[in-house]
Amino acid sequence: QKEVEQDPGPLSVPEGAIVSLNCTYSNSAFQYFMWYRQYSRKGPELLMYTYSSGNKEDGRFTAQVDKSSKYISLFIRDSQPSDSATYLCAMRNIQGAQKLVFGQGTRLTINP
Amino acid sequence: SAVISQKPSRDICQRGTSLTIQCQVDSQVTMMFWYRQQPGQSLTLIATANQGSEATYESGFVIDKFPISRPNLTFSTLTVSNMSPEDSSIYLCSVTVANEKLFFGSGTQLSVL
Repeated sequence: QKEVEQDPGPLSVPEGAIVSLNCTYSNSAFQYFMWYRQYSRKGPELLMYTYSSGNKEDGRFTAQVDKSSKYISLFIRDSQPSDSATYLCAMRNIQGAQKLVFGQGTRLTINP
Repeated sequence: SAVISQKPSRDICQRGTSLTIQCQVDSQVTMMFWYRQQPGQSLTLIATANQGSEATYESGFVIDKFPISRPNLTFSTLTVSNMSPEDSSIYLCSVTVANEKLFFGSGTQLSVL
């Protein structure tokens, strides 16, 4: 079993829809949670960074963490074609900022 | 955040040859990291590069295959040696900021024929 599970998709939704992306994990030591967005032929871009259970909002993006269920989500409101990308969840324990464990990534397409 | 530049952005190489990837950061950083992203796979840490010392490699990666240099606090190189088609991947340079957030360069798309 992988430490982090993420449905690779692909996921295709119409413009304006609410998108929900999810990851589950098995290691209870994970304390910091991130979402990265990766456009084709580009490096991953840090989108959201959280370290506590609950919701964190940034514009159209909301990151949700439920440590009791070992489940994290990223919601995208009013989705735009420019949101089409691969979204990777990542997480780590309290040590080693570089030792992230990544999900496989979900490929998302927003259709105009 | 940090601005990280990688060269080349992509390359097509022949089996048995080597490719050196360069990574330049716009600020001084203690540690730089090299990741690999194989097609359809998640990112995997190859090694940590500290200035003035040998790189620290993760399980499954060895110095002979992936030699790394770190001559100063803003620059590092990763060489992929004696390449085979299985080395076809995206190679990413990254740095941490405040030992919390990890930022990536734009990546090097490598195809080995």
